[in-house]
Amino acid sequence: AQSVTQLGSHVSVSEGALVLLRCNYSSSVPPYLFWYVQYPNQGLQLLLKYTSAATLVKGINGFEAEFKKSETSFHLTKPSAHMSDAAEYFCAVSDHGAGYSTLTFGKGTMLLVSP
Amino acid sequence: NAGVTQTPKFRVLKTGQSMTLLCAQDMNHEYMYWYRQDPGMGLRLIHYSVGEGTTAKGEVPDGYNVSRLKKQNFLLGLESAAPSQTSVYFCASKLTSGSSYEQYFGPGTRLTVT
Repeated sequence: AQSVTQLGSHVSVSEGALVLLRCNYSSSVPPYLFWYVQYPNQGLQLLLKYTSAATLVKGINGFEAEFKKSETSFHLTKPSAHMSDAAEYFCAVSDHGAGYSTLTFGKGTMLLVSP
Repeated sequence: NAGVTQTPKFRVLKTGQSMTLLCAQDMNHEYMYWYRQDPGMGLRLIHYSVGEGTTAKGEVPDGYNVSRLKKQNFLLGLESAAPSQTSVYFCASKLTSGSSYEQYFGPGTRLTVT
């Protein structure tokens, strides 16, 4: 069974600073990995995904993530935080090896951006 | 396309009451999912469906039932609501084939059980 661990339930950065949100996974099959963002009182929106192609994945709004198999990690980064990045971020791993596909989510990291 | 829609957006139930949440998608997706979101718990899968007429249990299925009579609709039922079912419920859908494994989410239903 797969699992996801997101380090830090809250991360605070200043506007313009580097954003780093950590995600470690475990999976019995080569993983497909996702980062979703949730703005207040909204559903989840896909930021980016890794599906066994390039290990450095670029997403929307300037975010990117790097798949590191040796570290079982898929950390999300953005060079310069903007106030509009304040939201909750979820890392997820797909169980696709059994012919169907479900997602297992981490518990989420709330990103707080201060002026 | 409207994408994934959920009805209702908000609901308050008394303990023991029943209700049905409706999820509809207009993207011709085969797979549909119901999740619940609780503070500090992330999203947990309740039930899912890999096609019309088929359903399967997820991580937290107890107290819920589902039906997928039409491809575009996925219903989540609570037969006897309990305060522990107070949560935000999200529906999602996904294509079966192609290179995209993305799930598309609805806006959520906030349910309070008193």
